[in-house]
Amino acid sequence: AQSVAQPEDQVNVAEGNPLTVKCTYSVSGNPYLFWYVQYPNRGLQFLLKYITGDNLVKGSYGFEAEFNKSQTSFHLKKPSALVSDSALYFCAVRSKGYGQNFVFGPGTRLSVLP
Amino acid sequence: EAGVAQSPRYKIIEKRQSVAFWCNPISGHATLYWYQQILGQGPKLLIQFQNNGVVDDSQLPKDRFSAERLKGVDSTLKIQPAKLEDSAVYLCASSSHQRGAGETQYFGPGTRLLVL
Repeated sequence: AQSVAQPEDQVNVAEGNPLTVKCTYSVSGNPYLFWYVQYPNRGLQFLLKYITGDNLVKGSYGFEAEFNKSQTSFHLKKPSALVSDSALYFCAVRSKGYGQNFVFGPGTRLSVLP
Repeated sequence: EAGVAQSPRYKIIEKRQSVAFWCNPISGHATLYWYQQILGQGPKLLIQFQNNGVVDDSQLPKDRFSAERLKGVDSTLKIQPAKLEDSAVYLCASSSHQRGAGETQYFGPGTRLLVL
């Protein structure tokens, strides 16, 4: 069975500082990994995904994530946080096997303090 | 390119009443998903359509929930009768399926349901 853990419910960071939102996963076989962001009263917006190839993936709004197969992690990072980055972040995993669907993590609330 | 459209945006009903949500996916997207997002949790897949066929409905409470995508485009999700625990945001998403499981899902704004 597939599962995603986001060990931190809340992450606080000062504006201009680097941010990291953690994600670990469990899946049989090779995974597809995704990050989505959700602003209040909005649907989920796609940030980036890892399919294959380079372990460092760059996405929207200056975000990037590193796939680490040995640690089964896919942490989201940004070198310099903005107040406007404050939102709810979801990691999702999908096995490459046929018929496997998205499993989302519980979400991490990021607060960037001015 | 227009995004995924959903209506209504908000709905308040009493328990045991019925309710229906509508979703129009991104043009050309063959795959459509309905998710339930309870406050404080990540989205949970309810049902996945490929064109007008059901691919996965294993987590759909079939005694009260139903969904259809008759012409392979729009979709409707219905709850009848509603329970208090159905209060949640119902999200619709679509993907083009060109890359199979690696294809990105694009989400609509959601319908916030409150059951009293």
